[in-house]
Amino acid sequence: QKEVEQNSGPLSVPEGAIASLNCTYSDRVSQSFFWYRQYSGKSPELIMSIYSNGDKEDGRFTAQLNKASQYVSLLIRDSQPSDSATYLCAVNPYGNNRLAFGKGNQVVVIP
Amino acid sequence: DVKVTQSSRYLVKRTGEKVFLECVQDMDHENMFWYRQDPGLGLRLIYFSYDVKMKEKGDIPEGYSVSREKKERFSLILESASTNQTSMYLCASSLGGTDSPLHFGNGTRLTVT
Repeated sequence: QKEVEQNSGPLSVPEGAIASLNCTYSDRVSQSFFWYRQYSGKSPELIMSIYSNGDKEDGRFTAQLNKASQYVSLLIRDSQPSDSATYLCAVNPYGNNRLAFGKGNQVVVIP
Repeated sequence: DVKVTQSSRYLVKRTGEKVFLECVQDMDHENMFWYRQDPGLGLRLIYFSYDVKMKEKGDIPEGYSVSREKKERFSLILESASTNQTSMYLCASSLGGTDSPLHFGNGTRLTVT
């Protein structure tokens, strides 16, 4: 089973601050990487996908990928209370859309 | 937008019952997946399918089977439900190819008593 590791424990950030989430993965063949947001009691929804080294920005979200170091991160700028959720990192080590998921990072934005 | 529909939001079944969880997607996606999600364990893949009548085991297939008779529909079957199968079950679909993200249904919370 391919491993995807995310920081343990909830992340509390004040409203307006930057939330930073990290994810490391064990398999070097992974070529596609995804971040999902999951609200309590809801299903995961895709917020970012990244395939090349470097940064990808979408609104207040920035994904950063470093394949050599095998990590992918997510920055949430100007954090809002509506960003309070669990964020799941997913990678594609099997090359066939069979994603491997991390266990998630809970983010709590404090007004 | 992709729509993945799971037939039940909440389900309560008794130990030993045969349980069917249905999932339908409306975007002509080739790939369909069944996960279960439990606190502290994350998302775990049960079964997946890349084509009609095709299925492959995921990480935790024991106690489950699947059926894909039509491209848009992927069913998860609990042959004889047990209390340790109480969980949130999530269906997902994706386009063919290697880099397509998964799109999830709303989930079915199954309780086995």
